[in-house]
Amino acid sequence: GNSVTQMEGPVTLSEEAFLTINCTYTATGYPSLFWYVQYPGEGLQLLLKATKADDKGSNKGFEATYRKETTSFHLEKGSVQVSDSAVYFCALSWGGRRALTFGSGTRLQVQP
Amino acid sequence: EAQVTQNPRYLITVTGKKLTVTCSQNMNHEYMSWYRQDPGLGLRQIYYSMNVEVTDKGDVPEGYKVSRKEKRNFPLILESPSPNQTSLYFCASSLSTGNKETQYFGPGTRLLVL
Repeated sequence: GNSVTQMEGPVTLSEEAFLTINCTYTATGYPSLFWYVQYPGEGLQLLLKATKADDKGSNKGFEATYRKETTSFHLEKGSVQVSDSAVYFCALSWGGRRALTFGSGTRLQVQP
Repeated sequence: EAQVTQNPRYLITVTGKKLTVTCSQNMNHEYMSWYRQDPGLGLRQIYYSMNVEVTDKGDVPEGYKVSRKEKRNFPLILESPSPNQTSLYFCASSLSTGNKETQYFGPGTRLLVL
């Protein structure tokens, strides 16, 4: 079946540091890939997505590239801010159910 | 404002007392879904609906029911709640049923079953 594996957190960084959160997936066919972000006490918001190999999704300074050869979709940001502190979920969508298969989430803490 | 709403946001109940969590979207979306979020497990799909009167099981449907009588509403029913259903529940919707579609999430309902 489909699965998503994310690096375990929490990840603690100082403001303006470079961020990478690793995400790899297992899926049959060609899934669409997503990064969602969950701020404290809130629901999930789409951060970015990519729907085919080599696509790059980007939003709010975050980027991720759909790498079919390594089955990866790593999230990066060049300079994090305190306001980026949240839980980040990698997810894929494939198949008749259109269900999102989520990773377990990575908590990011950015210190001033 | 385009949104997915859920009610209640917080609920404490006792084992066996039937409850319903409502979900409504105002975006005329075809696809709706329920997920539960548990620590270390991410989100797992409970039920989904491709359109009115079309529902089907997700990964963890045991102990839950749903209905889709109107396009905008997709209530989650727990006929006889048990403590293992204590969780954070999210409703989501998307415009169509394609894999590329973004799913939009509600704010969540935190349920505690004693």
